[in-house]
Amino acid sequence: ETGVTQTPRHLVMGMTNKKSLKCEQHLGHNAMYWYKQSAKKPLELMFVYNFKEQTENNSVPSRFSPECPNSSHLFLHLHTLQPEDSALYLCASSQGQGGYTFGSGTRLTVV
Amino acid sequence: QKEVEQNSGPLSVPEGAIASLNCTYSDRGSQSFFWYRQYSGKSPELIMFIYSNGDKEDGRFTAQLNKASQYVSLLIRDSQPSDSATYLCASERGAAGNKLTFGGGTRVLVKP
Repeated sequence: ETGVTQTPRHLVMGMTNKKSLKCEQHLGHNAMYWYKQSAKKPLELMFVYNFKEQTENNSVPSRFSPECPNSSHLFLHLHTLQPEDSALYLCASSQGQGGYTFGSGTRLTVV
Repeated sequence: QKEVEQNSGPLSVPEGAIASLNCTYSDRGSQSFFWYRQYSGKSPELIMFIYSNGDKEDGRFTAQLNKASQYVSLLIRDSQPSDSATYLCASERGAAGNKLTFGGGTRVLVKP
C-alpha cells in the first residue's frame, strides 16, 4: 500500500461506546497529525506527533486520546463522545515543509 | 480574527473561464502557503505550494504570493466542471514543526 491509510472509513457509535481510529502512512514521513473537519468549519488541528512524540495538543477534550507507537502509525481512541463530535476525522503525514498528505478520513457519527 | 481567511463562495465560473481565488493571512511569520482541493465527501489533496513572492505556475494552476500584503491567490485557467470543489488555503510557519493553519475554503462551481 502507498500513501496514508485510515480505517474505518465510516463509524457509528453510541455515546457510551469506546472505539479507535487507525492511521498508517507508508511514505517514510516523520510527522503525523489528527484533524477534525465539521460542516461549515475550517479544518481543526487536534494533535501533532513528530518522531512519535506528541508535540501539540490543541486543547482537545480528554474523551479523545491519541497514541503513536511509531512514526508510521497513529491512533485516536474515542470514549464517551458527544453528538457534536460527529465529523470527518482526517489523518495526515508530512516530511519537511512540503505540505501534508491526507488519508481518506473516517466519517464519525455519534448517536 | 481568523488566521487564514477565504471567501466561502460559491464562486460560479463558466466552463473555460478563469477562476480566481483569494486568501489572506494574519501571521507575518508564515513562510509557506498551500492550496488544497477537496471534493465533497473526500479528503483534501495538495494542488501546489508557494513560498517566494511572485507567481508559480503548474499546468492550469497559478499561485501568487504577496508577503507584504499578506495575500495568496490561486488562478485556475480553462476551468472544467471537474474543477468544481472546495479549495483550501493553508499557511505554514516553518521552523517549529510543519503545522498548517487552514482557511475555511472557497467553494467553486464550474458550469458547463
